[in-house]
Amino acid sequence: QVQLVESGGGVVQPGGSLRLSCAASGLTFSNYGMHWVRQAPGKGLEWVAFVRSSRNDKYYADSVKGRFTISRDNSKNSLYLQMNSLRAEDTAIYYCAKDGSKWDIDYWGQGTLVTVSS
Amino acid sequence: QSALTQPASVSGSPGQSITISCTGTTSDVGGYNYVSWYQQYPGKVPQPLIYEVTNRPSGVSNRFSGSKSGNTASLTISGLQVEDEADYYCYSYRSSSALFVFGTGTKVTVL
Repeated sequence: QVQLVESGGGVVQPGGSLRLSCAASGLTFSNYGMHWVRQAPGKGLEWVAFVRSSRNDKYYADSVKGRFTISRDNSKNSLYLQMNSLRAEDTAIYYCAKDGSKWDIDYWGQGTLVTVSS
Repeated sequence: QSALTQPASVSGSPGQSITISCTGTTSDVGGYNYVSWYQQYPGKVPQPLIYEVTNRPSGVSNRFSGSKSGNTASLTISGLQVEDEADYYCYSYRSSSALFVFGTGTKVTVL
C-alpha cells in the first residue's frame, strides 16, 4: 500500500531555514504529482505547494512563494520542501500528499511538525 | 488567494441528513469539476470522501454524497451517525498561479 513518511520537522528561529523530506513507497512515484499541505495548530488545512510528476512544473501558495521551494527526486522516491525566511505563521504540521490524478489528494503522510519560535 | 467559504459549524441529530456548502468562484469551484472533500478527526490525518464533485473512493460509505451548483459545491451526510462528528474540508483546483485551494473547514456536531 502507499506510504508517505515525512521527516525534518523541528524548532527553528524566525528567519531560519528547514528542509522537509517525504519518503514514498508502494507506488510508482514518478507517475504522480505531489503536494505539501500544512495545518497550523487549531486551524484549517492550507495547500502549500505542488510539483508535477515528471515535467517538474512547480506551483506555490502566495503565502510561501519566494520563500519555499518544492522539489522531487524520482530516483529516490522522495519529495522535499526547502523552507527559508521562516516566520511564526509558518508554524504548522506539514503533510506530504499524493495527487490522485483527478486534481484531488488520495494519500496523506502522517505529517511533521515545524515550530518557528525564538 | 482566499480560501473557499464553508460554514464554521453544522449540527444534526442521529439519523438526520445535513449539508455542508463550499462556495468559491468561477475560477475554481464554478469553473471545474475538480472539487473533493476530506474528513478529519482531531489529531488525525485527513481522509478522502469525495473526488470530482460526486465520486466516492472505494470504501467510503454511500451516506456521503457530493454535488455542485454554480460556484457552490455541497457535501451531504445522510443517516447522520455519532462517528460522523469531525471536521470536513472541501478542496478545489483553481486557475491561478496557486493551483489549489482548501475550504475554511466545517465542524460537524452530532447532537
